[in-house]
Amino acid sequence: NAGVMQNPRHLVRRRGQEARLRCSPMKGHSHVYWYRQLPEEGLKFMVYLQKENIIDESGMPKERFSAEFPKEGPSILRIQQVVRGDSAAYFCASSQTDNEQFFGPGTRLTVL
Amino acid sequence: ILNVEQSPQSLHVQEGDSTNFTCSFPSSNFYALHWYRWETAKSPEALFVMTLNGDEKKKGRISATLNTKEGYSYLYIKGSQPEDSATYLCAFNTGGFKTIFGAGTRLFVKA
Repeated sequence: NAGVMQNPRHLVRRRGQEARLRCSPMKGHSHVYWYRQLPEEGLKFMVYLQKENIIDESGMPKERFSAEFPKEGPSILRIQQVVRGDSAAYFCASSQTDNEQFFGPGTRLTVL
Repeated sequence: ILNVEQSPQSLHVQEGDSTNFTCSFPSSNFYALHWYRWETAKSPEALFVMTLNGDEKKKGRISATLNTKEGYSYLYIKGSQPEDSATYLCAFNTGGFKTIFGAGTRLFVKA
C-alpha cells in the first residue's frame, strides 16, 4: 500500500512562470490537505479538499493560487506567475477520517 | 485566530537524558490534539492522536499527556537516543478537518 505521493520532489521556476504540484493520496483516502513550509517556519495550512470539492481554502492566498482534486487523478496545487516569495516546501497530506493525516514527502519549490 | 504554541523552539540533550516539551492550544472548541515526528528530509509521521482530557499515550520511550481544560499537552522522551533527533510537531483540531500546526520543537540528541 503506497503512501502519499508527491511529484515533483524538486521544482525550479523562473519568476512569472507557473508551478504545478501533484499529490496522490493514499489508497482509500478521499481527503487531501495542502500545507506550506516557509524557510525557518512551521507548517501552514493552505487548503482542504475532498473529491471534486474545495472544503476550506482559508489558508490559501486569494490570488495566483488554486487547488483541485478531480474525480480521477491526483490533487493539483497550481501557482501562477510565481514570485520569489513562493519558494517553500509544499506538503500534501491525506486522510480517511478526521483524525490521522498521512504526509507526502513534499515538493521543494525554488523560484529564481 | 487559533494559535498553537510549542516550547522550547529547540533543545540540545545528551544521549540518555530524558526530556519533555510543551504544546499550548486554545482550550475552547477542542476536538483532537496530534503529535507528529518530523525528521529532516522526510515527511511528518504521526505519533499520537489524543482526544480526551487526561489522555496519556505511550509508544516505546515516547509518551504524551493531554489537558484540554487548560489547553496544553506534554511530550516526553525517556533516555533520548541520537535517532530521536527530529522536529516534534503538535497540531490542534476543532472538529472540522482543518488542523493548525505549531512551529515545532527541534530536538538534537548528541551521542
